Amino acid sequence: KAGVTQTPRYLIKTRGQQVTLSCSPISGHRSVSWYQQTPGQGLQFLFEYFSETQRNKGNFPGRFSGRQFSNSRSEMNVSTLELGDSALYLCASSSRTATNEKLFFGSGTQLSVL
Amino acid sequence: GENVEQHPSTLSVQEGDSAVIKCTYSDSASNYFPWYKQELGKGPQLIIDIRSNVGEKKDQRIAVTLNKTAKHFSLHITETQPEDSAVYFCAASRPTGGGNKLTFGTGTQLKVEL
Repeated sequence: KAGVTQTPRYLIKTRGQQVTLSCSPISGHRSVSWYQQTPGQGLQFLFEYFSETQRNKGNFPGRFSGRQFSNSRSEMNVSTLELGDSALYLCASSSRTATNEKLFFGSGTQLSVL
Repeated sequence: GENVEQHPSTLSVQEGDSAVIKCTYSDSASNYFPWYKQELGKGPQLIIDIRSNVGEKKDQRIAVTLNKTAKHFSLHITETQPEDSAVYFCAASRPTGGGNKLTFGTGTQLKVEL
């Protein structure tokens, strides 16, 4: 069974640009979550989608948004990039058959903002 | 919101020794506690988890204990091997009306020396 797939693996952008990251969950998983990982702040929750609906949201500005498609694939968008947005963005999927089900992470997209 | 503290930040052990990583959480409603292992260039990998109705869980060389009263949980790795070297994260989650939202500790860099 294939794991969580994130594309692209690496991305370099400049301040003010926008970026879209993609995530394909494990087959059969309907929940997709996004996390930001930085050396200073660690792993922080961005948002979670289930059946195309955002169910939970972290404490990030509105520049961070996401969506989920009918096939459970998800995209995350960051607009007006800032230097502080440089981070590893991780996607995790879950079968969500019960509350607090196991999360399986992808390898992430390393975003560098210059 | 939930706050998870993790100690130590770095841990160096000799091959064959045991390693213990400790975490405390603040939200008494948290009921799910996973542990993740992250190797360089990869996403976090779930290695073991425990729910609040269980005090201890073991999987081969890895065990997790939970003390709900004191609000702390620990990861125990016995007979450490060089391949155990990685960053380990604890996390906590509470029911969120059907969603998944993990709050992570700051990580422990484990180094197993030959």
